[in-house]
Amino acid sequence: ETGVTQTPRHLVMGMTNKKSLKCEQHLGHNAMYWYKQSAKKPLELMFVYNFKEQTENNSVPSRFSPECPNSSHLFLHLHTLQPEDSALYLCASSQDPNVNTGELFFGEGSRLTVL
Amino acid sequence: RKEVEQDPGPFNVPEGATVAFNCTYSNSASQSFFWYRQDCRKEPKLLMSVYSSGNEDGRFTAQLNRASQYISLLIRDSKLSDSATYLCVVTPRPGGASKIIFGSGTRLSIRP
Repeated sequence: ETGVTQTPRHLVMGMTNKKSLKCEQHLGHNAMYWYKQSAKKPLELMFVYNFKEQTENNSVPSRFSPECPNSSHLFLHLHTLQPEDSALYLCASSQDPNVNTGELFFGEGSRLTVL
Repeated sequence: RKEVEQDPGPFNVPEGATVAFNCTYSNSASQSFFWYRQDCRKEPKLLMSVYSSGNEDGRFTAQLNRASQYISLLIRDSKLSDSATYLCVVTPRPGGASKIIFGSGTRLSIRP
C-alpha cells in the first residue's frame, strides 16, 4: 500500500540495548529522511540523505547513527538511548532533494519505547 | 514565537458541518505552504498545497493571507472520515528538507 515501508513498527528497548530501524522506499526517489515525532510536538527533522550522501544532521545526539547504503534504503542505528527518546520515528522520501513541491512521502513509522 | 503555530484543538463538530482552522507563520519570507493530514497512528500525507490565489479540492478550500501571515483550511460538509490531525507546513524558501517547518497539528473529530 505505501511506497515507504518501515520495520519494525514497534520496538521496546532498554537503555543499554543496540537496535536498528529500517526504511525502504519503492518510489525511485533520490532523497530520504528521518523525522522524530513526539506527542504534541512538531515533526523534528533528524537526518537528510540526497543520492545516499548525508546532507543534513540536525544536531542529533550521537546515540542515533544513520546509514544509507543506497538510495532505496535507510537505517537508524540506536545505542544507549534515553527514555526521552521514546517517540514515533518516521522515514520519508522525496523525488526532489530540494522538496520544492513540499511533498514528502512518509512511512508508517516505528514506535520506539525506551525503558 | 514559534515559526509555525496551530490551535491544537480538538475541534469536535457534527457530521455535515463546516469547519475551518488557521495556521500562523512568523517568517514573512516564507514561500510555500501546505496542509498535511495525519490519521491516528498513521503517517502524515500531503492533503493539498496552498496557493496565493487560494485553491479548492472538492470539499476542501485552502487560503493564504500573506499580509497577516496565516493560512487556513476550510472543510465543507464534513464526513466522519475527515477525523484526523491536520498539519500546517511552511517552507521559508526552496532549498532542502531542513527548511520545511511543520506545525504541531490541529486535531479534528467529526461526530455522527
